[in-house]
Amino acid sequence: QVQLQQWGAGLLKPSETLSLTCAVYGGSFNGYYWSWIRQPPGKGLEWIGEVNHSGSTNYNASLKSRVTVSADTSKNQFSLKLSSVTVADTAVYYCARGFQVEYFDSSGYYYDGWGQGTPVTVSS
Amino acid sequence: SSELTQDPAVSVALGQTVRITCQGDSLRSYYGSWYQQKPGQAPLLVIFGKNSRPSGIPDRFSGSSSGNTVSLTITGAQAEDEADYYCNSRDSRGPYVVFGGGTKLTVL
Repeated sequence: QVQLQQWGAGLLKPSETLSLTCAVYGGSFNGYYWSWIRQPPGKGLEWIGEVNHSGSTNYNASLKSRVTVSADTSKNQFSLKLSSVTVADTAVYYCARGFQVEYFDSSGYYYDGWGQGTPVTVSS
Repeated sequence: SSELTQDPAVSVALGQTVRITCQGDSLRSYYGSWYQQKPGQAPLLVIFGKNSRPSGIPDRFSGSSSGNTVSLTITGAQAEDEADYYCNSRDSRGPYVVFGGGTKLTVL
């Protein structure tokens, strides 16, 4: 059973860079999409971006100019950097393991492991 | 805005059956997955793929798919099923991931 443990600064000022890291325990790093997802207070889940074991990334178009997701396969860790934060970036940030499964007629995508979440507050 | 649409709130009487739905064009290309989230906790995968449950998820949870809609059915809802439920899939428009806006389930 994979376990994800995440950490990073929880209080930022506007214009600073958010930096979080997620360590993966008990599973292979290969074959998965290592993702960051956030949840503003009282709101729903928002996908931020992902990286696979080879370093290929995909990002939410609305955040792409400010986001970098990277992986360190030697440590089984992946990271999120979000630059120029504003109060609108206040949220609980989760790391998660994504997997795409192929069927004869379609594909499926799901997150079967999540970090504990890191509350991040942006305030002057 | 979310490209997957869910009803904001649904209620069910204890022991009865409830269906939570999720609609979106991406669901014509991808099977959706479903997550349960209780206050202060990370989301928990309850249904993925055609209708698969991770180990430890009760069999009262099931999923189905038709056209641009996926559904999560809880047969014999229990008090502990009261939670927010989110659907999710790949985005058929590109290499993105989308979530539904979430459905708050109340068990009466």
